[in-house]
Amino acid sequence: DADVTQTPRNRITKTGKRIMLECSQTKGHDRMYWYRQDPGLGLRLIYYSFDVKDINKGEISDGYSVSRQAQAKFSLSLESAIPNQTALYFCATSDLGQARGYTFGSGTRLTVV
Amino acid sequence: QKEVEQNSGPLSVPEGAIASLNCTYSDRGSQSFFWYRQYSGKSPELIMSIYSNGDKEDGRFTAQLNKASQYVSLLIRDSQPSDSATYLCAHETSGTYKYIFGTGTRLKVLA
Repeated sequence: DADVTQTPRNRITKTGKRIMLECSQTKGHDRMYWYRQDPGLGLRLIYYSFDVKDINKGEISDGYSVSRQAQAKFSLSLESAIPNQTALYFCATSDLGQARGYTFGSGTRLTVV
Repeated sequence: QKEVEQNSGPLSVPEGAIASLNCTYSDRGSQSFFWYRQYSGKSPELIMSIYSNGDKEDGRFTAQLNKASQYVSLLIRDSQPSDSATYLCAHETSGTYKYIFGTGTRLKVLA
């Protein structure tokens, strides 16, 4: 099984709908992150969490919310999806201590029509 | 100025050649630097991390860091067609445990 699992893998939704993307990990890492990737813009940080009670906005948090249900679970919600939220979404985790890099999930390709 | 800059490419090299990928960054306080490989439609995969000035070698990969000049590079020796991918440079913004990514350089290794 993958260390960082994202569901769903692909999703098409309509404008205005609420949608949740889920991420769970078996790495035992405390830090979890949500990024979106767009062609030409690279990976941009949406939200991040360093433990269950610590949630922080990234550079592009507008239109998104998150929930850290447990150390291993971090969900991203789009409250009212809009077409420019069409992107590839990645969850990532990292360990404490000196930065050792992220472990990424396999991604969710979201299309808002 | 972008925080992390990479040439988008594509960089084309023949099989067996050395591929050289470069990245510059603006945060002088950054301490940790990373290279990720990303195949089309897949998630980024960490291939190298480097924290100190100089070179770090791992198999066919060598990362080079020059903090004074604010650049980090990745050399891939004996390039193979399977190395064809987009390579993302990233660094940790000073003490924040958040990584800033470049937009990536697309590498094509020609058989």
